[in-house]
Amino acid sequence: EAGVTQFPSHSVIEKGQTVTLRCDPISGHDNLYWYRRVMGKEIKFLLHFVKESKQDESGMPNNRFLAERTGGTYSTLKVQPAELEDSGVYFCASSQASRGRPGELFFGEGSRLTVL
Amino acid sequence: RKEVEQDPGPFNVPEGATVAFNCTYSNSASQSFFWYRQDCRKEPKLLMSVYSSGNEDGRFTAQLNRASQYISLLIRDSKLSDSATYLCVVKSYNTNAGKSTFGDGTTLTVKP
Repeated sequence: EAGVTQFPSHSVIEKGQTVTLRCDPISGHDNLYWYRRVMGKEIKFLLHFVKESKQDESGMPNNRFLAERTGGTYSTLKVQPAELEDSGVYFCASSQASRGRPGELFFGEGSRLTVL
Repeated sequence: RKEVEQDPGPFNVPEGATVAFNCTYSNSASQSFFWYRQDCRKEPKLLMSVYSSGNEDGRFTAQLNRASQYISLLIRDSKLSDSATYLCVVKSYNTNAGKSTFGDGTTLTVKP
């Protein structure tokens, strides 16, 4: 069974440009999360989709970040315009919660973003 | 203060050693607890869930103390392949699936 896949694995862009990251969760997983790890810091929550709905976007840093999950399958995270401090590794994770049991998070390998 | 705090490390131990990692969390409403493992430049992967009664999986033992808001991971008989960063993860449920908060991670290097 395919795991969580992310694209691109690495993106290098200049400040002010736009980048779109894509995540394909494990088939059938309703829950999709975006996390980010900035150099030297902990992995931080960005937002959570349940199917196509944004359940929690409290971790989104500012309005330069836009996440979508049209149709409740894959998700995109767009950064526009990118700033230097956006550099880091963006992880996507998915889970299928079942009542009374915490859903294990399955992570993709991450998309490394470098803003020059 | 961070929501989840871990031993800063790094831990450098010889093969066969026993090593323990500690983690504290500040949100008393936290409901689920996990240890994830992350290899260099790879994604985090679930190592084990942490249950109230404590649980063991081979050489790994996890403990939870809700009163002290403290979680631990003990690794016995360390192997070279245990070298990785260990992430303490705490989940609070304000939705069906909840939001996970990560600690900074503790890096372990096991040497021959």
